[in-house]
Parts: sequence; structure tokens; C-alpha cells
Amino acid sequence: SQKIEQNSEALNIQEGKTATLTCNYTNYSPAYLQWYRQDPGRGPVFLLLIRENEKEKRKERLKVTFDTTLKQSLFHITASQPADSATYLCALYNQGGKLIFGQGTELSVKP
Amino acid sequence: GAVVSQHPSRVICKSGTSVKIECRSLDFQATTMFWYRQFPKQSLMLMATSNEGSKATYEQGVEKDKFLINHASLTLSTLTVTSAHPEDSSFYICSAESGGGETQYFGPGTRLLVL
Repeated sequence: SQKIEQNSEALNIQEGKTATLTCNYTNYSPAYLQWYRQDPGRGPVFLLLIRENEKEKRKERLKVTFDTTLKQSLFHITASQPADSATYLCALYNQGGKLIFGQGTELSVKP
Repeated sequence: GAVVSQHPSRVICKSGTSVKIECRSLDFQATTMFWYRQFPKQSLMLMATSNEGSKATYEQGVEKDKFLINHASLTLSTLTVTSAHPEDSSFYICSAESGGGETQYFGPGTRLLVL
């Protein structure tokens, strides 16, 4: 079955630095992969979708890469701000057509 | 666009009672909606897929008689937790697929506490 793994340890960085989060998946080659942000006590908010034929995608301070050979996606937040502190979830549709999520990486940006 | 609402945001009930949670797509029509459950520090787990006008499809291990789902219109799906028990206490989140079916947009979630 498909598995998604994200850094389980919280990531603590200083304001202004670039945060890099990792998502690895196994046993399946998805056509696209998605990243969501989740704040405590709230539902996930869609951020970016990247397709298998796209190496990189950007949206404002966010950048996502997708390496289908390594089966890995990297999520970058440049010039990070305390307001970026949240849990970031990687998700993909499995072969059964269901959206499955990684366990999320908690990011904390200190001023 | 693509806004999904949930009501209530928080509910506390006594053991044995039933609780209904509503999920609405506010600015688009959703033939398919999804219900997830999330326990603290864990990821979202799909409970069921709700299809407008037909029966919901439940994931393995989810009791369909306990978690009743109704998708009566293209903008509304409801989840009823029947005879709730303390172990049903969790964060319930719904989502709706966008027109292209590539992305799901999530509601803000409902925190259920069963005493």
C-alpha cells in the first residue's frame, strides 16, 4: 500500500530563514502531489499542487519540487515569518483514488 | 472560491446521544464530499466518501450504522454520530472536491467531546 512519510520532528527556524520540509512516498507513482497547511483546531488549507511533469512550482514565498525518481517532494518557505508557524501536510491520491496524508511536519518560526 | 463550511464548530454531548454535523460547499457544487477524523498529533484518516443522491462508501473499520451520512444536495452533506460514546470524541473534518477532482477543499472541522 502507499505510504507517505514526512519529518516527524518539529522544525524550528529563525524568522527570515528558509524552511524546507520533506515528503517521501513509496509503492506508487502519483500523477500529482499536494501540500496543505493546518493550524491547531482547524481544517487543512490547500496550498499547492504539483504534477509529475513539473519539477518545480512557486506561489509567492512558497516553492515545491517534485522528484519522481527519488519519490520525494520538498516544500520551501522563503523569508519565513512567525505567521508561517503551522503543521504542513503532504498528500497524494493513492491507487484507489483516495487522498492520503502524511503525518505532517510542525513548523515553528521564531521572531 | 472553494469555501467549505462546517457546523457546529464544537459540540459537547452526553454519552448515548446523537450528534449531527453539517458540511456545506458555499460557492461550488460538490457531487462528492468526504468525511475525515483526526486524533491529536495524528494525520487525517478518511472515514467515508459521500456521494450526492447515493449511499456513502465507508472505509474499512468504520461502522456505517454508527456514522450515518446523508448527501441530499450538491452543497450539503451531513454526518450523524449515533449513540455517541467517549471514544468517539475527536476532530471531524469534511471536504469537497473541486470541479476537476484534483483537489479537496476542507471545512474548518468540528470538535466533538462526548462525556
